[in-house]
Amino acid sequence: DTGVSQNPRHKITKRGQNVTFRCDPISEHNRLYWYRQTLGQGPEFLTYFQNEAQLEKSRLLSDRFSAERPKGSFSTLEIQRTEQGDSAMYLCASSSRVNHYEQYFGPGTRLTVT
Amino acid sequence: GENVEQHPSTLSVQEGDSAVIKCTYSDSASNYFPWYKQELGKRPQLIIDIRSNVGEKKDQRIAVTLNKTAKHFSLHITETQPEDSAVYFCAASIMPPQFYFGTGTSLTVIP
Repeated sequence: DTGVSQNPRHKITKRGQNVTFRCDPISEHNRLYWYRQTLGQGPEFLTYFQNEAQLEKSRLLSDRFSAERPKGSFSTLEIQRTEQGDSAMYLCASSSRVNHYEQYFGPGTRLTVT
Repeated sequence: GENVEQHPSTLSVQEGDSAVIKCTYSDSASNYFPWYKQELGKRPQLIIDIRSNVGEKKDQRIAVTLNKTAKHFSLHITETQPEDSAVYFCAASIMPPQFYFGTGTSLTVIP
């Protein structure tokens, strides 16, 4: 499968624990995006990278959230001191330098905070 | 920021009928409008998009229309099939990368 991949697919954690998700974009894509999707809602933009540079962050991205893309390839999203309100599907997407309008999504990581 | 509203939230049609989903947006500067299809438990997939310099775009049974004056755009699916059943999301973008998504329409095609 040459599409966007995300790991893990599911994560259950206790409140207060830290969690980290990984996203591997389509190999030739230079832009990578993180979204959060809650039940019954559309995806909400969190942040994006162009190569290794994090260029924009949403107000939704609190100080407990941090994202990295150290070599301009895969990216990680870490949530510290998780809260029950963090329970959601975390989606990653990527787009190419040729057409950065078209974003291709990964399957998501479903986080449940108990 | 941009606000995108999507209607209806649920839609049931008989197989072979047409389905129409409508979205409105608030920021006249938005210039790109994609539609995504998300099947249960699967990733959102881009099915069609339109840019602000175009009024209509068609791809087989799927078409999108854009009315910039009224700030609304619609997805039209003709000759619906059971495999069209999914949640459809519209989005608007002032400039990439920020997409503002609607709340989704759950489409059920009844065989």
